[in-house]
This record gives sequence, structure tokens and C-alpha cells, in this order.
Amino acid sequence: EVQLVESGGGVVQPGRSLRLSCAASGFIFDDYAMHWVRQVPGKGLEWVAGVSWNSATIAYGDSVKGRFTISRDNAKNSLFLQMNSLRIDDTALYYCVKDRMLAVAGPFEHWGQGTLVAVSS
Amino acid sequence: SSELTQDPAVSVALGQTVRITCQGDSLRKYDANWYQQKPGQAPVLVIFGKNNRPSGIPGRFSGSSSGNTASLSITGARAEDEADYYCNSRDSSGKSLVFGGGTTLTVL
Repeated sequence: EVQLVESGGGVVQPGRSLRLSCAASGFIFDDYAMHWVRQVPGKGLEWVAGVSWNSATIAYGDSVKGRFTISRDNAKNSLFLQMNSLRIDDTALYYCVKDRMLAVAGPFEHWGQGTLVAVSS
Repeated sequence: SSELTQDPAVSVALGQTVRITCQGDSLRKYDANWYQQKPGQAPVLVIFGKNNRPSGIPGRFSGSSSGNTASLSITGARAEDEADYYCNSRDSSGKSLVFGGGTTLTVL
């Protein structure tokens, strides 16, 4: 069974940093691209970033480019999101998501339960 | 605003057929995928590619596409299908991934 368990969320002040982690199990981690998708409570889904199976391709949504960095450690079956210069509108539930493919392409086949990030002064 | 446009809300009578649409220029070139999200739960992939259902998704869910519009159809809607539905695909540049704004489906 595929399991994706996010951690690292919390309350942080604007301008500060936070690092999210996702522990993956139940599948061959380095056979798939991985993503972060976020959702403001009560609002829609927003794709944040994606990384291909071998980290050769990395892509970001426009709203986080230059501030967030996605990375993965295939030896540890882990996905990360380094979030710098956080803004109030980064407040959201952040999902770790497994792609169905090797490349950053979608579809988003499996989702974690999310970790909540609240940016507030 | 999203490059993929969905109607905010759609309703269907129990047992009837409903179509949820997703419009965008990128859909002329790229396939759409569809996700169902129930309150308090993570999204679930229900249709991907031209018209493919992941394991465990009922056959009443199907997908289609024409021009710049992708559609998710539910044939014989059930009360448990009441949820938010999101489409996703690539953006016009092909380098980024995007979601539609979502459609809230009410089963009457």
C-alpha cells in the first residue's frame, strides 16, 4: 500500500523559512516523479513544485519560483520542500503527491494527508 | 486565475447523468486528469489520460475531450459522488502543471 506521510508544518512568521518532509513507502520511490500541491482551507488546489525520478527535471509554480526548493533523497525514500521568504498567502495545507510517471507530468496518483503551514505574525 | 476554467457548482438528480467540464487552450494539446475531493479528505484520482480509470474507481466515471474542453461524466450519480471535482493538465507553455478552480457537485 502506498503511504505518503508529510511532516514539518507549523506556524511561522512572514519572511522566515520552513522545511517540509515526506516519507514514502509501499512503492519503488525512484520509479516515480513526486510533487507538492497545496490547498488553502476551503479553496482550490494549487500545484507547487515537481521533481522527476532522478531529479534531472524540477519545475515550480509561478507563485513560489525563487523562494521554494523541491528535492528528493531516493536512498531514503524522502521528498522535501524548502520554503524561504514565506508570505502570508503561503498559508495552506501542503500535500505530498506521487506521480504516475517518471517525469514531471502527472497525473497525481497518490496523495498524502497533508501538513498545515500557517504564516502569521 | 487558473488557465483551466471550471463551473463553480453543478447539481444532478440522484441516478441521473452529469457532465463536469474543464476549459483551457492547453487542452487542445494535453490530456486532462480528474480528481474527486470529499470534505476533510485528500483528493483522489478518478480519471487520467484520454479516459482511464485507476483501480477501484467505479465504471460510472468516464472522461472525454473535444477541442479545448475536457469533460468528466458520472452516469447514474449516487449520493456518495457529492464532492469537489478538479481537473488538471499542463499550462499553455507545457512546462508547468495547473489545476482548474474546481466544481462542487451536489446530488439532489
